[in-house]
Amino acid sequence: GENVEQHPSTLSVQEGDSAVIKCTYSDSASNYFPWYKQELGKRPQLIIDIRSNVGEKKDQRIAVTLNKTAKHFSLHITETQPEDSAVYFCAASVNNDMRFGAGTRLTVKP
Amino acid sequence: GAVVSQHPSWVICKSGTSVKIECRSLDFQATTMFWYRQFPKQSLMLMATSNEGSKATYEQGVEKDKFLINHASLTLSTLTVTSAHPEDSSFYICSAMPPLPWNTEAFFGQGTRLTVV
Repeated sequence: GENVEQHPSTLSVQEGDSAVIKCTYSDSASNYFPWYKQELGKRPQLIIDIRSNVGEKKDQRIAVTLNKTAKHFSLHITETQPEDSAVYFCAASVNNDMRFGAGTRLTVKP
Repeated sequence: GAVVSQHPSWVICKSGTSVKIECRSLDFQATTMFWYRQFPKQSLMLMATSNEGSKATYEQGVEKDKFLINHASLTLSTLTVTSAHPEDSSFYICSAMPPLPWNTEAFFGQGTRLTVV
């Protein structure tokens, strides 16, 4: 089955800096890659997603890149703000079978 | 976006008792729902995939007889933790995906914090 690895497990940045989280996946058939943000005690919320026919997608300060050949995808957050502090999960999905990475705890210091 | 409602949001039970958690998709039919367990500061660990009208598919290491899953309708799946023990204390979250088109985002319930005393 699909195996998703996510790095780093924790990430601390200064406000205004950029943050990058990387994930790799094992199943070459995976074709949908969402990213979720989970604030403390709350449910995960989708922040951005990308499909396998697209290499890059951007939504304001958030961007995701996908390299299908290498089977890795990354989340980029620019101009980080304290409210970006949360746990971020990547996921890879094939046929509605979604597997999550271990999560990255992002802390943005004011 | 679509709404998934999970109930209760928290529950405290005595060791040895059973607890039922409900997961409802409020505005779409979910032929498949997923149950996750999340320990503090850890990832979402898939426990089982719940298919409407059929038996759930459990992940390796998850006890079927302990975590009973029922998906009786297209909008409701239940997870029953039987004979709960303190080590079962955790945050349980369900998610659901619309059947079509495939590979869309998963919509999560708000989670249930179970404490077994």
